[in-house]
Amino acid sequence: RKEVEQDPGPFNVPEGATVAFNCTYSNSASQSFFWYRQDCRKEPKLLMSVYSSGNEDGRFTAQLNRASQYISLLIRDSKLSDSATYLCVVNPTNSGGSNYKLTFGKGTLLTVNP
Amino acid sequence: EADIYQTPRYLVIGTGKKITLECSQTMGHDKMYWYQQDPGMELHLIHYSYGVNSTEKGDLSSESTVSRIRTEHFPLTLESARPSHTSQYLCASKGTSKYGELFFGEGSRLTVL
Repeated sequence: RKEVEQDPGPFNVPEGATVAFNCTYSNSASQSFFWYRQDCRKEPKLLMSVYSSGNEDGRFTAQLNRASQYISLLIRDSKLSDSATYLCVVNPTNSGGSNYKLTFGKGTLLTVNP
Repeated sequence: EADIYQTPRYLVIGTGKKITLECSQTMGHDKMYWYQQDPGMELHLIHYSYGVNSTEKGDLSSESTVSRIRTEHFPLTLESARPSHTSQYLCASKGTSKYGELFFGEGSRLTVL
């Protein structure tokens, strides 16, 4: 099982649609979780950290389910500018509890159409 | 805005040349990383460092080498470039908090002819 697995995509949705991305992780000791956004030929940028209780930032909602080792990202009322690749990122721990390396999923491409 | 800088942004070079991709950050971060990414493909970690004089190889084998003599500087070197090294190289740094954001530079796009 891969460390971090995301919906393969691509997702093509009309403006105004609600779209959900899912991500599973294999290391049950993982400490922290993030969603990054990467525009075409640009560097990834942090979209949201994902907290245990779930969190919302405007049209974006992130949720974590530790029992199922699953995180999700919901985008409501999607805009053309939301078109990008969305990367699920997990901070695993080694036996010493260090958190040096983040593990990236392959990403899910979203295209929002007019 | 992230204070992490990469140079050059674009480099086209012939086979066999030695190249160094520069990466500098002014945030005082101990942890720094190099990722390799081909167009439309996933990020692959090729090197990381958790402080001065410490470097480790990442998950993807790479013929490149890195050094970390100063906290703010993490250059990547290819002794003899080949067409298979053509890719985008992304440098990143991270603070100490487990929730600390990973900041990326804008990337160095390398083409080896």
